[in-house]
Amino acid sequence: QKEVEQDPGPLSVPEGAIVSLNCTYSNSAFQYFMWYRQYSRKGPELLMYTYSSGNKEDGRFTAQVDKSSKYISLFIRDSQPSDSATYLCAMSPNSGGYQKVTFGTGTKLQVIP
Amino acid sequence: DTAVSQTPKYLVTQMGNDKSIKCEQNLGHDTMYWYKQDSKKFLKIMFSYNNKELIINETVPNRFSPKSPDKAHLNLHINSLELGDSAVYFCASSQGGLITTDTQYFGPGTRLTVL
Repeated sequence: QKEVEQDPGPLSVPEGAIVSLNCTYSNSAFQYFMWYRQYSRKGPELLMYTYSSGNKEDGRFTAQVDKSSKYISLFIRDSQPSDSATYLCAMSPNSGGYQKVTFGTGTKLQVIP
Repeated sequence: DTAVSQTPKYLVTQMGNDKSIKCEQNLGHDTMYWYKQDSKKFLKIMFSYNNKELIINETVPNRFSPKSPDKAHLNLHINSLELGDSAVYFCASSQGGLITTDTQYFGPGTRLTVL
């Protein structure tokens, strides 16, 4: 079993829809949770990060962490065609010092105008 | 101005060859990384350097050797290339080494194809 599991998609939604992207994980030591967006043939870019459980909102994006279920989500409200990309979840333990990030395989999202 | 740049962008080579990929960042960051992304989009860290010092060295064949001549550069040399080395290699940098709180900035990637 992989440490981080993510449905590869593709996920196709109409413009304006609410998108829910999810990851599950098995390592209970993970404390930091991140979402990256990767456009085709580009490097990933960090969207949001959260520490431990809870919600974090940034514009149209909301990240949720449920450590008891080992489940994290990214919600995109009012989705736009420019949101079409692959979304990678990533996570890391809080062991002090230099961290090591484990990535999910990414979910490909397509927002149709 | 490109923050993190990699050369070459594409690399096609024969099995058994030796090749290098170069990375430079102009952000003044202390920490640089190499990642490998395979055909299934799985992104995995390979190495991390902080101020020219190796701090993360994942389980990677010793055919892969990173070199950091200064903190703005991190090159990746690969000996005796194999078919399984075909992937996109990303360089990244961050201000510090706490890569969960320090945003990592990724380069555009180098698409390596081994024939």
